[in-house]
Amino acid sequence: DARVTQTPRHKVTEMGQEVTMRCQPILGHNTVFWYRQTMMQGLELLAYFRNRAPLDDSGMPKDRFSAEMPDATLATLKIQPSEPRDSAVYFCASGRRTGKTSSEQYFGPGTRLTVT
Amino acid sequence: QKEVEQNSGPLSVPEGAIASLNCTYSDRGSQSFFWYRQYSGKSPELIMFIYSNGDKEDGRFTAQLNKASQYVSLLIRDSQPSDSATYLCAVIKDSSYKLIFGSGTRLLVRP
Repeated sequence: DARVTQTPRHKVTEMGQEVTMRCQPILGHNTVFWYRQTMMQGLELLAYFRNRAPLDDSGMPKDRFSAEMPDATLATLKIQPSEPRDSAVYFCASGRRTGKTSSEQYFGPGTRLTVT
Repeated sequence: QKEVEQNSGPLSVPEGAIASLNCTYSDRGSQSFFWYRQYSGKSPELIMFIYSNGDKEDGRFTAQLNKASQYVSLLIRDSQPSDSATYLCAVIKDSSYKLIFGSGTRLLVRP
């Protein structure tokens, strides 16, 4: 049963600390997305990659967030330094772009981040 | 105006009834449309996608798309208490492959 995996599932950290979240996309998927979900803002796209190349990170605060995909099986999202307003659930999703409109995305279980 | 709009609900229906969830979108050039179900504390789960005008059926679920009215809906037949969740409508509006989500409709199915 292929699925997206994410680690850690929960993270509590103090303001100012670095946070790294990891994602393993579904094998064979060539597109990876990072989303953030809060009660106030709902689901927001932070960044996405296709074939490991970053295509759009306009949703990310550039001064503290960074996203990378060092290989096809690993995507990372880092926050440095973290702030209380970063508290949210961070989801990774992957998809396989097979045509102009074939674009389903499948979500991982998420990382629940709390910054105190 | 939000790009994807949904009534937040809750939409309450009795068990066995048809639940009708609606979504409108602002960009007429939108190409692909998705429905995700999200249980409390869980991740969004893809349940339906539709790319062409008309209806698409999968088991108890039917997605309906009307591009002229910029309207997409999800019908759930024979609703079960286990269908109680938040349903998120999402749209890809161009070739970017970026999903734009609505804020979701909370569905409650009463036993």
